[in-house]
Amino acid sequence: GEDVEQSLFLSVREGDSSVINCTYTDSSSTYLYWYKQEPGAGLQLLTYIFSNMDMKQDQRLTVLLNKKDKHLSLRIADTQTGDSAIYFCAETRDYKLSFGAGTTVTVRA
Amino acid sequence: EAEVAQSPRYKITEKSQAVAFWCDPISGHATLYWYRQILGQGPELLVQFQDESVVDDSQLPKDRFSAERLKGVDSTLKIQPAELGDSAMYLCASSPPGGRGTFFGQGTRLTVV
Repeated sequence: GEDVEQSLFLSVREGDSSVINCTYTDSSSTYLYWYKQEPGAGLQLLTYIFSNMDMKQDQRLTVLLNKKDKHLSLRIADTQTGDSAIYFCAETRDYKLSFGAGTTVTVRA
Repeated sequence: EAEVAQSPRYKITEKSQAVAFWCDPISGHATLYWYRQILGQGPELLVQFQDESVVDDSQLPKDRFSAERLKGVDSTLKIQPAELGDSAMYLCASSPPGGRGTFFGQGTRLTVV
């Protein structure tokens, strides 16, 4: 089973902000990642944050990292229908990625 | 934009048959991974290569799965014999030196009947 934990589902109205939360286990993880997966497709790297940072912003995406609580979040501003997908949080452990089960984000009109 | 290439995209095979998947990583990426993703779950690592050497195959079911990367570039993952429980998405990924970012291919969706 996964040691990285995420809530399974999120429903958000188009134009609102989405916030996806994740808790991880390995305090020595160097990088923490967010991936997006659309139906039937592979994983698309959205963004990552280095462990010595607490925030990273990239256009509509904002990543917040709380190392003390081992908590990572991804905020998507102005959520669009094209943002409907499964979002995976991943930590690096021994130079490998360990994934959560994914959060299914549904954008409603 | 450089991508990880995988083929085939879809494969249907009967149980007890052999099946093989191919992956070509992004040029210059020395590290190559094979992951398996069961429906509704996150990907789980099967095997990791650094150039042509296996650095981690602890989660690879070696009685039926094999992986090779003979020239340190493209890679093949084989299952023989396939079982019903092998039905999943098989994802190949690669990462550059320094490991900043792991990039995935589109995957091969395997259905064993």
